[in-house]
Amino acid sequence: EPEVTQTPSHQVTQMGQEVILRCVPISNHLYFYWYRQILGQKVEFLVSFYNNEISEKSEIFDDQFSVERPDGSNFTLKIRSTKLEDSAMYFCASSLAGFYEQYFGPGTRLTVT
Amino acid sequence: AQKVTQAQTEISVVEKEDVTLDCVYETRDTTYYLFWYKQPPSGELVFLIRRNSFDEQNEISGRYSWNFQKSTSSFNFTITASQVVDSAVYFCALQNTGTASKLTFGTGTRLQVTL
Repeated sequence: EPEVTQTPSHQVTQMGQEVILRCVPISNHLYFYWYRQILGQKVEFLVSFYNNEISEKSEIFDDQFSVERPDGSNFTLKIRSTKLEDSAMYFCASSLAGFYEQYFGPGTRLTVT
Repeated sequence: AQKVTQAQTEISVVEKEDVTLDCVYETRDTTYYLFWYKQPPSGELVFLIRRNSFDEQNEISGRYSWNFQKSTSSFNFTITASQVVDSAVYFCALQNTGTASKLTFGTGTRLQVTL
């Protein structure tokens, strides 16, 4: 069964460093998303991406964040200068259409020290 | 603005008991979708069900059933004869129609099933 994959599973970085989180969505899906979940809290939407551009972004997704689909398979989230409060689990998701179920990857746990 | 409320923070049941997880949502849209996701201790988010706002038929899948009531803006989830493997955090989510529309999640209900 096709699945969304994410690498790395855990990333530790120092405050102020740049990180890139990687995702490989399900191959025939066209819509891609990033969400984050601070430990013990709810899942929050960051950004959605379709047709090589951002469709929607939340208030959390400020200028420190960017997304890219550098090739036909990867979808990346970059945080330019990490802050302590960026520590969270980051989930990538993909869907076949904009209002279909979104399938989530296993997540990348980002720890900023 | 959209909002999803899961008032039950944590529920504990003994195996084989039935349990219902409540979900109440708010939206101004007439067309929307509702979802349930399961987050087991391993941390991944597992899709369980998607229901559109025009389909108020209840759905049953094995031990799982869902009750959608538009009149009360609720989409409740019942597990019949609960098992230890059902222990997880369950999230209800709302999506409005639109291109690459986001999911708005509730705060989740932690279900603990013990022997």
